[in-house]
Amino acid sequence: ILNVEQSPQSLHVQEGDSTNFTCSFPSSNFYALHWYRWETAKSPEALFVMTLNGDEKKKGRISATLNTKEGYSYLYIKGSQPEDSATYLCALPKLIFGSGTRLLVRP
Amino acid sequence: DAGITQSPRHKVTETGTPVTLRCHQTENHRYMYWYRQDPGHGLRLIHYSYGVKDTDKGEVSDGYSVSRSKTEDFLLTLESATSSQTSVYFCAAGGANTEAFFGQGTRLTVV
Repeated sequence: ILNVEQSPQSLHVQEGDSTNFTCSFPSSNFYALHWYRWETAKSPEALFVMTLNGDEKKKGRISATLNTKEGYSYLYIKGSQPEDSATYLCALPKLIFGSGTRLLVRP
Repeated sequence: DAGITQSPRHKVTETGTPVTLRCHQTENHRYMYWYRQDPGHGLRLIHYSYGVKDTDKGEVSDGYSVSRSKTEDFLLTLESATSSQTSVYFCAAGGANTEAFFGQGTRLTVV
């Protein structure tokens, strides 16, 4: 079973700060990488599915990059808002998730 | 919820009884998944399916079985529930190189 690793485990930032976190994965036989956002007491929601090396995707203030050769993806949040507080998960196909990065944005 | 429905949403059962949770999808996704959510463990994959009658084990499959006799339904069965299986269970459909959609979750309590 292929696993991903996420860092940091948790992050506390101030409203307006920009932040980023990392998802590392085995670079061999890469197919796709998923990012999900999971708010407390809700279901996870997809942010991005990334398939190409060098891919960069954006949704509002959130963006992600992908490096398949070295096996990592970065998720960036520009100008964090309290509503961005959530756990951010990444996964390879078969959707085995990492432990996530828990983001708390303080007003 | 993008057409993913879990039933029941809440269940309390006694130790040793069988329990079946149902996941129903309306979007004809090939892949379906069952997860459990526990404090400190995030989402852990129990079983997944890559087509009708095609299923495989995930990270924490002991004590669980699944069946998929139709594209739209993926059933998770606890043959003999134990207190350690008290958890919130999530179903998802989609994935591989497209986004997956999650159901609302089922809170199962084994007493």
